[in-house]
Amino acid sequence: RKEVEQDPGPFNVPEGATVAFNCTYSNSASQSFFWYRQDCRKEPKLLMSVYSSGNEDGRFTAQLNRASQYISLLIRDSKLSDSATYLCVVPEVEKTSYDKVIFGPGTSLSVIP
Amino acid sequence: DADVTQTPRNRITKTGKRIMLECSQTKGHDRMYWYRQDPGLGLQLIYYSFDVKDINKGEISDGYSVSRQAQAKFSLSLESAIPNQTALYFCATSADGYEQYFGPGTRLTVT
Repeated sequence: RKEVEQDPGPFNVPEGATVAFNCTYSNSASQSFFWYRQDCRKEPKLLMSVYSSGNEDGRFTAQLNRASQYISLLIRDSKLSDSATYLCVVPEVEKTSYDKVIFGPGTSLSVIP
Repeated sequence: DADVTQTPRNRITKTGKRIMLECSQTKGHDRMYWYRQDPGLGLQLIYYSFDVKDINKGEISDGYSVSRQAQAKFSLSLESAIPNQTALYFCATSADGYEQYFGPGTRLTVT
């Protein structure tokens, strides 16, 4: 099993729709998780952090299920500007270092007018 | 001004040439990272540095070297470029290793 897996998509949804992405991770020791957004040919940017069971920021909700080792990102009332690739990020927990993260391959979202 | 800058933004070079990609940051972070991104793949870590004297190999360091000239500067070198090093290269900084701030990227093509 890969360390971080995501459904690559693409997800093509109409404006106003609700869409959810899942991300599974293999390291059960990971404590915090992140969603990054990457526009085409641009740098990734932090979207949300998830430190406990979940986090909500406006139209975006991230949820964590530790028992099943997955994180989800829910986008409500999709906007055209939400079109991007969403990267799931999980810390690499090693014996001596907690300073690296693993990026998932990303899920592509296209919001259609 | 951007907090993390990379130069050059685009570069085309020939097989066997030496090339250096530069990264500078004004965020005051100790941790700096170099990643490469290939189409359809996630970001792969090449090298990372926790301070000027602490440099570590990432998962794909073969064919690359780095130099941490100062807290704010971290350079990536390809000693002898080969075509499969054609990719998008990102530099990133972080205060805690988790929340990372990326530069705009360098698009490198090796012919």
